[in-house]
Amino acid sequence: DAGVIQSPRHEVTEMGQEVTLRCKPISGHNSLFWYRQTMMRGLELLIYFNNNVPIDDSGMPEDRFSAKMPNASFSTLKIQPSEPRDSAVYFCASSLSGQGNQPQHFGDGTRLSIL
Amino acid sequence: GENVEQHPSTLSVQEGDSAVIKCTYSDSASNYFPWYKQELGKRPQLIIDIRSNVGEKKDQRIAVTLNKTAKHFSLHITETQPEDSAVYFCARHRQAGTALIFGKGTTLSVSS
Repeated sequence: DAGVIQSPRHEVTEMGQEVTLRCKPISGHNSLFWYRQTMMRGLELLIYFNNNVPIDDSGMPEDRFSAKMPNASFSTLKIQPSEPRDSAVYFCASSLSGQGNQPQHFGDGTRLSIL
Repeated sequence: GENVEQHPSTLSVQEGDSAVIKCTYSDSASNYFPWYKQELGKRPQLIIDIRSNVGEKKDQRIAVTLNKTAKHFSLHITETQPEDSAVYFCARHRQAGTALIFGKGTTLSVSS
């Protein structure tokens, strides 16, 4: 069973550069979530989609962050321009909604370092 | 409000002892409460969850209890083993298809 697939696993880049993180949810799941994890703030939601439509982006830090879900099997999170404070682990998760409460399954994350 | 308060932040036990982690919330509309285990450098993995129509759920050495009146839920690990050492997160949400609100995590260390 393929789980949530994220790429890249690690990204190191210089500040000011554009960063694109990718996620493939579990096949058949219709909800997709982007979370960010840091020591200081823990796990926090950035944005989530239901049926490819963004529902809540209140967690997106600022206009430098954007996310898209062009189809049911792919989503991107883009940071442009990147800053050192964006360094964190970014997780994508997916679940099946519309059938009661279903668990969210996480990908392996992207460890992002902005120098 | 939105937050989930999780205690303790760190917990050290001897192998074979029990470990209990407690979370409290204030949103009475919350109806789903999962627990995740995260090993160092790995992704959070669901270990057990409970829905609001149930007071307790057990799966081998782990159990979760829910008190909706008092708005708290707890994770119980019995006969702890070194491989139980990890960070444990509680979470809640109020509606299917919405995002989880996570606690800050508990670092559990089991020494042999």
